[in-house]
Amino acid sequence: NAGVTQTPKFRILKIGQSMTLQCAQDMNHNYMYWYRQDPGMGLKLIYYSVGAGITDKGEVPNGYNVSRSTTEDFPLRLELAAPSQTSVYFCASSYRGRGDEKLFFGSGTQLSVL
Amino acid sequence: SQKIEQNSEALNIQEGKTATLTCNYTNYSPAYLQWYRQDPGRGPVFLLLIRENEKEKRKERLKVTFDTTLKQSLFHITASQPADSATYLCALAGRRALTFGSGTRLQVQP
Repeated sequence: NAGVTQTPKFRILKIGQSMTLQCAQDMNHNYMYWYRQDPGMGLKLIYYSVGAGITDKGEVPNGYNVSRSTTEDFPLRLELAAPSQTSVYFCASSYRGRGDEKLFFGSGTQLSVL
Repeated sequence: SQKIEQNSEALNIQEGKTATLTCNYTNYSPAYLQWYRQDPGRGPVFLLLIRENEKEKRKERLKVTFDTTLKQSLFHITASQPADSATYLCALAGRRALTFGSGTRLQVQP
C-alpha cells in the first residue's frame, strides 16, 4: 500500500505563477484534507473534502482552489502565487471525519515563492 | 477563539528518563484528542487517540492523559531513547477537521 502520495516534493515558483499540488490515496478513504505548515507553527487546514464532488473551505482557503473528481485524488491549485504561500503543504486522508480516527499524511510538498 | 498551546521550547532529556509533553486548549470541548509524531521533512504519524471519557491511554512506552476539567492533555514517553527525538503534535477534533497545536520538539540525549 502506498498510502498518501504527494507530488512534487519541492518546488520554487515566481510571484504570480500558478501550480497544482497533487495528492492521491489508495486506501479508499472518503475524507481528504490539505494543511499547510509554516516553520514553528501548527498545521492549518486549507480545504477538505468529504467525498468525490464535495469540498469545503478550512481555516486559510484564500489563494487556493481544490477539486475532487474521484475518491483517490485531491489536487490543490495555487493561482497567482504570493510569497505568503511559501510553506510546507501536507495532504491527509481518513475514512470518516469525526475525529475519532487517525489521519494518514503524505510526505509533504515544500514550496517556495520568490 | 479556539486555541491549542504546546510548549514551543524544545524539551531536552537524558536517555532512560521519562519525557512529559503538555497540550493545553481553550474554548474547545473536544470529544477526542490525538497525538502525532513528526520527523524533519516528513508528514505527521499517528500515535494515540484518547476519548473525553477516558482519563488515560497507554501503548507500549507511551501514555496519554486527558483532563477535560483542566483542558489539558499530558503525553509521556517512559524509558526514552534517542530514537524518540522528534516533534510531537497534539490535535483536537474540531468542527471541520482535526486542529493541530504547533508541536513540541523533544531531544533525547544519549
